[in-house]
Amino acid sequence: GQQLNQSPQSMFIQEGEDVSMNCTSSSIFNTWLWYKQDPGEGPVLLIALYKAGELTSNGRLTAQFGITRKDSFLNISASIPSDVGIYFCAGQNYGGSQGNLIFGKGTKLSVKP
Amino acid sequence: DSGVTQTPKHLITATGQRVTLRCSPRSGDLSVYWYQQSLDQGLQFLIQYYNGEERAKGNILERFSAQQFPDLHSELNLSSLELGDSALYFCASSRRAFANTGELFFGEGSRLTVL
Repeated sequence: GQQLNQSPQSMFIQEGEDVSMNCTSSSIFNTWLWYKQDPGEGPVLLIALYKAGELTSNGRLTAQFGITRKDSFLNISASIPSDVGIYFCAGQNYGGSQGNLIFGKGTKLSVKP
Repeated sequence: DSGVTQTPKHLITATGQRVTLRCSPRSGDLSVYWYQQSLDQGLQFLIQYYNGEERAKGNILERFSAQQFPDLHSELNLSSLELGDSALYFCASSRRAFANTGELFFGEGSRLTVL
């Protein structure tokens, strides 16, 4: 089945630093999404991307849908302690019997004040 | 608060036992999804129900089964439990069959520990 390769697996950064993480797939997706999971909580949608090449921002977060439709990246600028958590990329193809999201294994972000 | 309710939050049981996890979706959501989160595998899609009918199946073991009831709540049944079934089980919901905006609303999860 489809698999997403997300990297890095974990990051330890200083408050104020910028963060970059990415996700690649061997197959194309119609939609790329980025979710964040806070400790003890379920994942929450941060950004959704619907078109190849699309660049979308949400506050300090910026994500791009790769031109090939096989990759996406997420940048976080000027990190703060509440950015701590696990960030998941997810790909989706809908239509027919499809529709469920395929998730990457996550990037665990730790921010040192 | 996502509006998705999962019970129990924590469950400890022994190998060979059977447990049932319960999920109430957001009000108005017709689709329910079950995911398993383990340390080395991330979020694995198990199964989806839409308005009472099974819609999509992922990596769900034969020992596991699920159903969605007329009031739209869902239950995930895990039987003949093994140590490797220890994980966080998430339920998520969406309004439509395909979550066509990509947004799933996740509950807080049920942490299952098999001893």
